[in-house]
Amino acid sequence: NAGVIQTPRHKVTGKGQEATLWCEPISGHSAVFWYRQTIVQGLEFLTYFRNQAPIDDSGMPKERFSAQMPNQSHSTLKIQSTQPQDSAVYLCASSSDSNNNQAPLFGEGTRLSVL
Amino acid sequence: GEQVEQRPPHLSVREGDSAVITCTYTDPNSYYFFWYKQEPGASLQLLMKVFSSTEINEGQGFTVLLNKKDKRLSLNLTAAHPGDSAAYFCAVSRFNSGGSNAKLTFGKGTKLSVKS
Repeated sequence: NAGVIQTPRHKVTGKGQEATLWCEPISGHSAVFWYRQTIVQGLEFLTYFRNQAPIDDSGMPKERFSAQMPNQSHSTLKIQSTQPQDSAVYLCASSSDSNNNQAPLFGEGTRLSVL
Repeated sequence: GEQVEQRPPHLSVREGDSAVITCTYTDPNSYYFFWYKQEPGASLQLLMKVFSSTEINEGQGFTVLLNKKDKRLSLNLTAAHPGDSAAYFCAVSRFNSGGSNAKLTFGKGTKLSVKS
């Protein structure tokens, strides 16, 4: 079984450019989560979907970040007008919704560097 | 919202010693607890999940203790070896009666170094 697949693994953007990050959850998993990891802030929750519907986006910076899940096989995180402080590793995780005790399993992340 | 404090941020032990990492949390509705291991350059690997109905869980080479009264979760690596060198993160989520998975709140992590 393939795990959570994230592409690209590394992305470099110039300040003000747009970045789109992709996540393919584990087949059959209905919950998809996005987290951001930095040395200073640690692991921060951004947003999550259940059965493709947005459930909680309380961690998303409102102005430039958006996330979508157009179908059950992929989710995207888009950052408009990227800033140096957006540099981080963005992690996607998925979990089964068969009951409420399934641990989210993480992808390898996308390392975003904003120059 | 939930706050999770993890200690220590750095831990260095010799091979064969034990290593203890502790997390305290604030939300009394916290119900599910997880430990993840992250090796340099890699993603988070699930070590163990713990439910509030259990207090002691044993894995391969480690024990997880949950003290609900004190809102404290600990990971005890027994007889650490160099392959255990990594960052360890605790994570907590609430019980969600709707049946859907709730978001995780993570501790800041502990960087463990095991010297041979």
